[in-house]
Amino acid sequence: GIQVEQSPPDLILQEGANSTLRCNFSDSVNNLQWFHQNPWGQLINLFYIPSGTKQNGRLSATTVATERYSLLYISSSQTTDSGVYFCAVEETGGNEKLTFGTGTRLTIIP
Amino acid sequence: SAVISQKPSRDICQRGTSLTIQCQVDSQVTMMFWYRQQPGQSLTLIATANQGSEATYESGFVIDKFPISRPNLTFSTLTVSNMSPEDSSIYLCSVDRGRTEAFFGQGTRLTVV
Repeated sequence: GIQVEQSPPDLILQEGANSTLRCNFSDSVNNLQWFHQNPWGQLINLFYIPSGTKQNGRLSATTVATERYSLLYISSSQTTDSGVYFCAVEETGGNEKLTFGTGTRLTIIP
Repeated sequence: SAVISQKPSRDICQRGTSLTIQCQVDSQVTMMFWYRQQPGQSLTLIATANQGSEATYESGFVIDKFPISRPNLTFSTLTVSNMSPEDSSIYLCSVDRGRTEAFFGQGTRLTVV
């Protein structure tokens, strides 16, 4: 099956800093999503982005499908951004099943 | 978006017992998905549940251990059977909208003692 690796695994930043999270995948995909899991375990969908660039407030994401990677940018970090960020992909012909990446744990220090 | 109500939100269970987790969606969906997240790990798909047919299980998961029901287009249950401490995890149900965005219930945090 498809492999999804995220980097870095852990990231600790001061409030106000910017960050870039990366997701690499091993095969072609027709669906890629970014999620934020808050400290209580709730998963929130941030972006559906199989290709191209999207922005939502302080967050933006870019997927380069031909090179099999996606980036999530967080600007002016706030403590509420803390948690684990996952990318998840549906490989082409994958019957709507999502494969989740290894995750990046982000800690924002006041 | 989709509103997904999952319960219980957490439970502590004795080994050897079973727990049934319920997932209710605010509108009809074709597929519902059940995931497991072991402590400190990513999410792993357990099975896909379609209404009116047997659930499709992923490698490493079997129906005897994780029986699933899907009686209608808005509801599903996952049972964790004959539990052991290794089953301590967060269990999540999920739906998607037209093969785009996926939405998750708040999860069930299970501890087996």
